[in-house]
Amino acid sequence: DAGVTQSPTHLIKTRGQQVTLRCSPISGHKSVSWYQQVLGQGPQFIFQYYEKEERGRGNFPDRFSARQFPNYSSELNVNALLLGDSALYLCASSTGLAGNEQYFGPGTRLTVT
Amino acid sequence: AQRVTQPEKLLSVFKGAPVELKCNYSYSGSPELFWYVQYSRQRLQLLLRHISRESIKGFTADLNKGETSFHLKKPFAQEEDSAMYYCALGKGSNYQLIWGAGTKLIIKP
Repeated sequence: DAGVTQSPTHLIKTRGQQVTLRCSPISGHKSVSWYQQVLGQGPQFIFQYYEKEERGRGNFPDRFSARQFPNYSSELNVNALLLGDSALYLCASSTGLAGNEQYFGPGTRLTVT
Repeated sequence: AQRVTQPEKLLSVFKGAPVELKCNYSYSGSPELFWYVQYSRQRLQLLLRHISRESIKGFTADLNKGETSFHLKKPFAQEEDSAMYYCALGKGSNYQLIWGAGTKLIIKP
């Protein structure tokens, strides 16, 4: 298993545009979480999905949305991009929810100009 | 408000010296605390969690509820311990993680 995979590796967008980031969890993992990591800071929780349902949402505006597909892969969408959305976006998967170790992907580096 | 504080952005010690990376938390409930590590050009990975009470790669961490701390310790640092270390707090029943800003540990030869 390649572990958690994310695509694209990096991308550059312009203010006001929309972006979709993708995540494939480890086989057998049913939970996916998304984090935003701004340079010099720790990750910040955005969303958690389990069995295709949203189970948690961090303090992010409605411009951020996500979904999980029947194969447990996930997409994170960000609309109306702002310069401040520039960050590393991390996806993590786990077998379930509480108490389960999260396995991280390599991240997608988003730059908004 | 829930918060995790890692007061040191950078910690540099010599090989063989003891290491202590500090982590303080603020949380009204019963905390679940974790240390994650990121080695150069690698992914974030779990190092240890307080509920398992394990020693991983020689590191230990004890939850001190009175001082609201979860410091990471190792008696004798090794060069391969050089990495970025993050302390994280599991919030709620689903363990949504709240992270500290991280401490970069450099082990000098």
